[in-house]
Amino acid sequence: QQQVKQSPQSLIVQKGGISIINCAYENTAFDYFPWYQQFPGKGPALLIAIRPDVSEKKEGRFTISFNKSAKQFSLHIMDSQPGDSATYFCAATRWGYQKVTFGTGTKLQVIP
Amino acid sequence: NAGVTQTPKFRVLKTGQSMTLLCAQDMNHEYMYWYRQDPGMGLRLIHYSVGEGTTAKGEVPDGYNVSRLKKQNFLLGLESAAPSQTSVYFCASSLGTGRRETQYFGPGTRLLVL
Repeated sequence: QQQVKQSPQSLIVQKGGISIINCAYENTAFDYFPWYQQFPGKGPALLIAIRPDVSEKKEGRFTISFNKSAKQFSLHIMDSQPGDSATYFCAATRWGYQKVTFGTGTKLQVIP
Repeated sequence: NAGVTQTPKFRVLKTGQSMTLLCAQDMNHEYMYWYRQDPGMGLRLIHYSVGEGTTAKGEVPDGYNVSRLKKQNFLLGLESAAPSQTSVYFCASSLGTGRRETQYFGPGTRLLVL
């Protein structure tokens, strides 16, 4: 019930293309879904987050789409750039919960 | 502000040796966490602490112990290292209100157990 399933495990996208990473969760009590970005040799850092009362959140080239009925959410990176090459983790948590459940990560490579 | 720092950055151990990983944060955060990151496994929670003097088990606690004697420090101990503990270890901290908080991660410690 605490799992967050993430796909694909790795992704190669051409510069200027759209990168899409998908996640699914089981626990309907989750009410906050952050995405973390991790560059090689660094720790993860918060990229963008969404609450289930909205279906989409956009920050620059990064957009989260959320489907509450399907218990799925996804990260879209528009106009992908080589500097976006990193590992992306989706995650889920809820109000009052001390922990965050992370997906297994997607390694994105954007090639010129 | 240094944020979250981890010591050491890299360590090689022989099977059976012990070591302690140190995490320090200067943001006055209440919550602190230890994760391990392995290929294809994502970030798995080892132990966490919701305040000075408190600790709790996470998803993969076996073979590890922790202590939080000071609010700013969270120590992860391996009493008898095993090759299965070869991993990258990340410490994180968060404010501690329980309100959908951001976790701030350190740069990681790469551990190789031979």
